[in-house]
Amino acid sequence: GESVGLHLPTLSVQEGDNSIINCAYSNSASDYFIWYKQESGKGPQFIIDIRSNMDKRQGQRVTVLLNKTVKHLSLQIAATQPGDSAVYFCAEIRGGSQGNLIFGKGTKLSVKP
Amino acid sequence: SAVISQKPSRDICQRGTSLTIQCQVDSQVTMMFWYRQQPGQSLTLIATANQGSEATYESGFVIDKFPISRPNLTFSTLTVSNMSPEDSSIYLCSVGQGAGELFFGEGSRLTVL
Repeated sequence: GESVGLHLPTLSVQEGDNSIINCAYSNSASDYFIWYKQESGKGPQFIIDIRSNMDKRQGQRVTVLLNKTVKHLSLQIAATQPGDSAVYFCAEIRGGSQGNLIFGKGTKLSVKP
Repeated sequence: SAVISQKPSRDICQRGTSLTIQCQVDSQVTMMFWYRQQPGQSLTLIATANQGSEATYESGFVIDKFPISRPNLTFSTLTVSNMSPEDSSIYLCSVGQGAGELFFGEGSRLTVL
C-alpha cells in the first residue's frame, strides 16, 4: 500500500561529520513534506519542511532535498553534534488536509564523540 | 510556535480502566489533533478534535474507544477507554499553525498492566 518509509532504521556518525537521512514516499500526489526530530522522552520537534514545487530547502545546518522523480526525500545535517542524536521522522501531508500527517518509521541517529 | 502542555506525562493503569489525557495550548488554535505512538514505532493520527463539533476519527479508531472533547480553542481531552495492554503507547496532542506545520506536546506515556 502507499506509505512513507525510511531506508535505514539506524545511522551512526562521527561528531563533526555530515549526516544524511533518507526517506521514500509512494504517493505522488503528496505536496508537502516535513522532517521532525524526536529526542528520547519528548514529543516530535519540527525541523524543516518542503513543498512539492521545490527540490531543495535550507535551514540552519539542515538541508532537505526532494526528488519527485524517484519519490525520495532526504535530510542533511551539517557538522553533526551530539545534540543531534535523536529519531528523525519524515512526514507527508495527503489530501491537502492539515494535521493528517503520514509519518515514516523513523531513523535513529547516534553521534559518536 | 505554540506551547502545548499535556497531563499526565505518564501513568500506569490497570486493564479495563479508562484514562483521560488533557491538552492545553497557550494560544487559540483552530485545529487540534491526537496521535498515538506505539513503543518503538512511528506516529499515527487518531482523530482531529474540532471545536464545537464531534471529532473526526481516522480509520481504525472509534469514538467509543477514544472519546474526545474540545470545549474551546485552547483545550482538548482524549480518553482511552476500557484499556488493554495493547493500548500502552505515547499519546500526543498537536496543533496546526500555518500552512501545514504541526507542533506537538511532550506526550503522555501510558502503560497498561
